[in-house]
Amino acid sequence: QSVLTQPPSVSGAPGQRVTISCTGGNSNIGSGYDVFWYQQLPGTAPKLLIFAYTTRPSGVPDRFSGSKSGTSASLAITGLQVEDEADYYCQCYDRSLSGSVFGGGTKLTVL
Amino acid sequence: EVQLLESGGTLVQPGGSLRLSCAASRFTFSAYAMNWVRQAPGKGLELISTISAGGSATYYADSVKGRFTISRDNSKNTLYLQMNSLRAGDTAVYFCAKDRAGGATSWGQGTLVTVSS
Repeated sequence: QSVLTQPPSVSGAPGQRVTISCTGGNSNIGSGYDVFWYQQLPGTAPKLLIFAYTTRPSGVPDRFSGSKSGTSASLAITGLQVEDEADYYCQCYDRSLSGSVFGGGTKLTVL
Repeated sequence: EVQLLESGGTLVQPGGSLRLSCAASRFTFSAYAMNWVRQAPGKGLELISTISAGGSATYYADSVKGRFTISRDNSKNTLYLQMNSLRAGDTAVYFCAKDRAGGATSWGQGTLVTVSS
């Protein structure tokens, strides 16, 4: 059981907007540590989508956005596309563990 | 573009040892902390170890502490993971990743370690 909790699955139709939550606590997200989001397409290595809560690396479409509130963070995907179907993970440093942890991952299905 | 190439994954018996390598290129390797992340079949990501840019500071997840050792050779732009006392539960794809403020900005393609008799 990860200290960062994500829903196991979310789904949406093409063109719709979905959000994926990442719920932590006062020892990680609530302490102000950076939150990272990754996309993992089937059979491939993860790819960084968002860092520092809201910043996209170059090449990541602006359909992907991040936010944070209190001890939780969220990833929003607008204008869903079939190729967005993947697993998504959040990550944050946890001072109780003295290390960085991943959420359990969320499988996005584009209906 | 950053390149990270893992190698060394193979089938190993329980209790055995293995050393993984990660060859880095197209960035200043010695300036960045590095991570090993693993993913068991059908499971999520697990950060198992981190090493600072100079190699003096390390972190290990409880699941591997005392059995795995992370190291680096900045003169060879190479990251290592020495794995001892391997268990079936260590079966996974092992990724190396370039670190930025606790996150993994670039990833290798991974190398598969299978622990089985």
